[in-house]
Amino acid sequence: DVKVTQSSRYLVKRTGEKVFLECVQDMDHENMFWYRQDPGLGLRLIYFSYDVKMKEKGDIPEGYSVSREKKERFSLILESASTNQTSMYLCASSAKAGTLEAFFGQGTRLTVV
Amino acid sequence: RKEVEQDPGPFNVPEGATVAFNCTYSNSASQSFFWYRQDCRKEPKLLMSVYSSGNEDGRFTAQLNRASQYISLLIRDSKLSDSATYLCVVNTSWGKLQFGAGTQVVVTP
Repeated sequence: DVKVTQSSRYLVKRTGEKVFLECVQDMDHENMFWYRQDPGLGLRLIYFSYDVKMKEKGDIPEGYSVSREKKERFSLILESASTNQTSMYLCASSAKAGTLEAFFGQGTRLTVV
Repeated sequence: RKEVEQDPGPFNVPEGATVAFNCTYSNSASQSFFWYRQDCRKEPKLLMSVYSSGNEDGRFTAQLNRASQYISLLIRDSKLSDSATYLCVVNTSWGKLQFGAGTQVVVTP
């Protein structure tokens, strides 16, 4: 069964903290994504990785960085968390060929106080 | 301008009725297109891919109009369980998936 696992369902962090969100997929997918989802704005792409150590900025990369040292793991880093980064964060993965269907993790609800 | 735009709705649909809605995309080089469904407090899941010639999956029909850069989804014989947010998704390049903000559908008894 296809699986994308995010390390936490709920997270509360303080302003200024460095925050790590981890995502692991077991499908040997080349592509991995980080989105944030806010009411009325839908899913907005933060970063996209199409291979190990390869990354591309999405629509809203400011305040975020990513790391992809291994194919199965894609980490999102909030360098200095701010209250406007309070959101639902969704990780997804997809194959580079074939159906391109994206499989999502269950999401991490991050609150920055 | 957003890469993918959708009417947010909500579309209130009586059970058994037909509902249709569109999504427009800005990148003419977009290669593939999808509809995803997202239930409240759940992650999005693939509903169907959209092919150039149009395609059906049971009560769902998807169409693609490359000239006008829009895709559509039609739901026939709506069921209460069809209530959800429908997300339009476009593969712009290298497998990069851009999502619309979603169209909410509410099917009422």
